[in-house]
Amino acid sequence: DADVTQTPRNRITKTGKRIMLECSQTKGHDRMYWYRQDPGLGLRLIYYSFDVKDINKGEISDGYSVSRQAQAKFSLSLESAIPNQTALYFCATQGSGYEQYFGPGTRLTVT
Amino acid sequence: QKEVEQDPGPLSVPEGAIVSLNCTYSNSAFQYFMWYRQYSRKGPELLMYTYSSGNKEDGRFTAQVDKSSKYISLFIRDSQPSDSATYLCAMSRTGRRALTFGSGTRLQVQP
Repeated sequence: DADVTQTPRNRITKTGKRIMLECSQTKGHDRMYWYRQDPGLGLRLIYYSFDVKDINKGEISDGYSVSRQAQAKFSLSLESAIPNQTALYFCATQGSGYEQYFGPGTRLTVT
Repeated sequence: QKEVEQDPGPLSVPEGAIVSLNCTYSNSAFQYFMWYRQYSRKGPELLMYTYSSGNKEDGRFTAQVDKSSKYISLFIRDSQPSDSATYLCAMSRTGRRALTFGSGTRLQVQP
């Protein structure tokens, strides 16, 4: 089984809807991250969490919120989806080192 | 100006060629350097991880860091069609766990 899983893998939603993307990990890592990936822009950091009680904004947090329900679970919410939030979303974990380990991604389309 | 610059490609080479992928960066505080490989519709996969300057070799892959020039490279020897993917560089500085990514170089290895 994969160490970092994301659900759903694909989602199409309409403008204004609330949507939640979920991430679970079995690596036992404390640090978890949410990124979005757009063509030509690479990976941009949305939010990150160093433990259950620690949540931090990244460079593009507007329009997003997160919840760290447990060490193994980190969810990303779009409160009111808009078309320019159409992107690939990745969750990543990080242990005691600096390297990060990514999930398979969620392809989100907002119409 | 972006902190990390990476040529988007695509870079097309024949099977068996030596491939050189590069990133330049502007923040002299970066100490930790990573290369990720991302296949289409998949999450980034950690390929190489180096600390500070020098070379690191793993099979057909060699990562090179030149901190004086703020330049990192990934060399792939005897390239294979299965190496066709997007390669992302990533880096961080001591005390900051979040990574800064390049936008990725798309590599195509022609059989």
